[in-house]
Amino acid sequence: GIQVEQSPPDLILQEGANSTLRCNFSDSVNNLQWFHQNPWGQLINLFYIPSGTKQNGRLSATTVATERYSLLYISSSQTTDSGVYFCAVFMEYGNKLVFGAGTILRVKS
Amino acid sequence: DAGVTQSPTHLIKTRGQQVTLRCSPKSGHDTVSWYQQALGQGPQFIFQYYEEEERQRGNFPDRFSGHQFPNYSSELNVNALLLGDSALYLCASSLGGGREFFGPGTRLTVL
Repeated sequence: GIQVEQSPPDLILQEGANSTLRCNFSDSVNNLQWFHQNPWGQLINLFYIPSGTKQNGRLSATTVATERYSLLYISSSQTTDSGVYFCAVFMEYGNKLVFGAGTILRVKS
Repeated sequence: DAGVTQSPTHLIKTRGQQVTLRCSPKSGHDTVSWYQQALGQGPQFIFQYYEEEERQRGNFPDRFSGHQFPNYSSELNVNALLLGDSALYLCASSLGGGREFFGPGTRLTVL
């Protein structure tokens, strides 16, 4: 099956710093989503981005489907950005999301 | 616009027991998927329901079963609970096009 790899696995930032999270996938996908999981377990939709670039406030994402990767940018990080960030790809023939292992982000004040 | 809701929030069971988890999809959504998230891992797909039928299933044993009702809500049943079934169970809803929205999850502890 498809492999979804996220890097780095852990990231510690000082408040105000910028960061880039990466997601590589091993096969063609129909779409890709980025999620933020808060400490209570809720998965919050950040981006639905099968290709191209989208921006939402301090966050932006880029997916290059032909090269099988996506990037999540976080600028001017805040302590509330802490949590686990997941990339998930949708396999149409499987009708399911396949998740990466996540990146644990800790933002220190 | 109500999002995806799940109940209960937390649940403690003992080995061998059976459990039922419930999910109501986001308004307007007709497809419900269930995922299991073990501690420190990403969510793993269990199965998906559409038009009251299981449309797709992940690599989970038959002890995991489900149901979808005419109002699109869904239940996840797990029989003969094992310690390894302890996890966060997430329900997601969609219009079947892959953009899924997740509920807050049910945290199951098996003792």
